[in-house]
Amino acid sequence: DSGVTQTPKHLITATGQRVTLRCSPRSGDLSVYWYQQSLDQGLQFLIQYYNGEERAKGNILERFSAQQFPDLHSELNLSSLELGDSALYFCASSNLPGGEDTQYFGPGTRLTVL
Amino acid sequence: QQQVKQSPQSLIVQKGGIPIINCAYENTAFDYFPWYQQFPGKGPALLIAIRPDVSEKKEGRFTISFNKSAKQFSLHIMDSQPGDSATYFCAARGPNSGGSNYKLTFGKGTLLTVNP
Repeated sequence: DSGVTQTPKHLITATGQRVTLRCSPRSGDLSVYWYQQSLDQGLQFLIQYYNGEERAKGNILERFSAQQFPDLHSELNLSSLELGDSALYFCASSNLPGGEDTQYFGPGTRLTVL
Repeated sequence: QQQVKQSPQSLIVQKGGIPIINCAYENTAFDYFPWYQQFPGKGPALLIAIRPDVSEKKEGRFTISFNKSAKQFSLHIMDSQPGDSATYFCAARGPNSGGSNYKLTFGKGTLLTVNP
């Protein structure tokens, strides 16, 4: 068990809808990273937050946004959902701001868009 | 430049065999190469990692071989066991564009099956 928790485990929704995925980092970790895992693209980095501030952006669509709250949990918001957004979404956490230390992954949220 | 190419896509070996998974990269700014292991229904977990100033690193039954000039690295699993059946991802850490951050770029994964 990595110590990173994600909810919900599964999410089924329809095209055009909006969903929120939640992540709680390991105790003491200040950085949260979001990744999307799909069969064709593999594991893609979306965005990183450190202590409440956006730190780095990867391949995140404009329809997606994230935030990190004062208690350090993070939420990934996906809106105007399309079929192609169906994927596993992982969050990871680490202690340092620059991405230079080991990232510990949560169990993921499987999103199915119908 | 940011890609990491991983092969094979899937691999089946018998118990006791030595599966080898290969990765190649182009970006010479990558400075850290971790391997992650992922079981079904779980997130990836760090297995072993190497820096480019080292040609080999061994931890238990897992060994990374690194060839800096060829920009290739590989994972070897000695005396493989059915419990090693999982998806393995190589990754490379490099600067994220436009900032001082690092980001991980992952290979597409190798599904390893170790038959009893």
